[in-house]
Amino acid sequence: GAGVSQSPRYKVAKRGQDVALRCDPISGHVSLFWYQQALGQGPEFLTYFQNEAQLDKSGLPSDRFFAERPEGSVSTLKIQRTQQEDSAVYLCASSSLAGGVGDTQYFGPGTRLTVL
Amino acid sequence: DQQVKQNSPSLSVQEGRISILNCDYTNSMFDYFLWYKKYPAEGPTFLISISSIKDKNEDGRFTVFLNKSAKHLSLHIVPSQPGDSAVYFCAASAQKLVFGQGTRLTINP
Repeated sequence: GAGVSQSPRYKVAKRGQDVALRCDPISGHVSLFWYQQALGQGPEFLTYFQNEAQLDKSGLPSDRFFAERPEGSVSTLKIQRTQQEDSAVYLCASSSLAGGVGDTQYFGPGTRLTVL
Repeated sequence: DQQVKQNSPSLSVQEGRISILNCDYTNSMFDYFLWYKKYPAEGPTFLISISSIKDKNEDGRFTVFLNKSAKHLSLHIVPSQPGDSAVYFCAASAQKLVFGQGTRLTINP
């Protein structure tokens, strides 16, 4: 595709609901990353996939957060029992290389999650 | 502990002048540095990058300088244009990206 796409662009959830956020990376990109951006802050790393393998999930804030990329392309970030502190913009990025120097990540437009 | 810092939350520059955005980092393991530009309601857009083996990279109006001994990088935009008004993030890579807090650049006509 032309770029990274994410859906939905905006999501409002009641506290306690489960949400699923989708990311379509650039076609053929090996690596996929999820970031969380709070208001007025820079994005913060959540998790990283190389093809279908989740190689790093050190940034996931709690076990309520779960990500998958079963076929090595589309990825879903799931948040269970959402809480108000989960309100943020969730960004997905992809890169063509499998890590290493010079691996530029390209970002999608993000999903703005608001938990009431 | 903030590994990447942008100490200026905002910067205002007159059109046609040079804009200089600064970024400091603490982790000497970072091997690749990037600048992203972000407009409201959009994701960060890649602007320019530099490998740790270089000290300068230039692309049109944008130049990034890296001073490894000082753990400091800067982005120069010259001449600045109104369309450059956005939030700029520096990021450092050790595979995953670590971002600074961003600097809001405003170019005044």
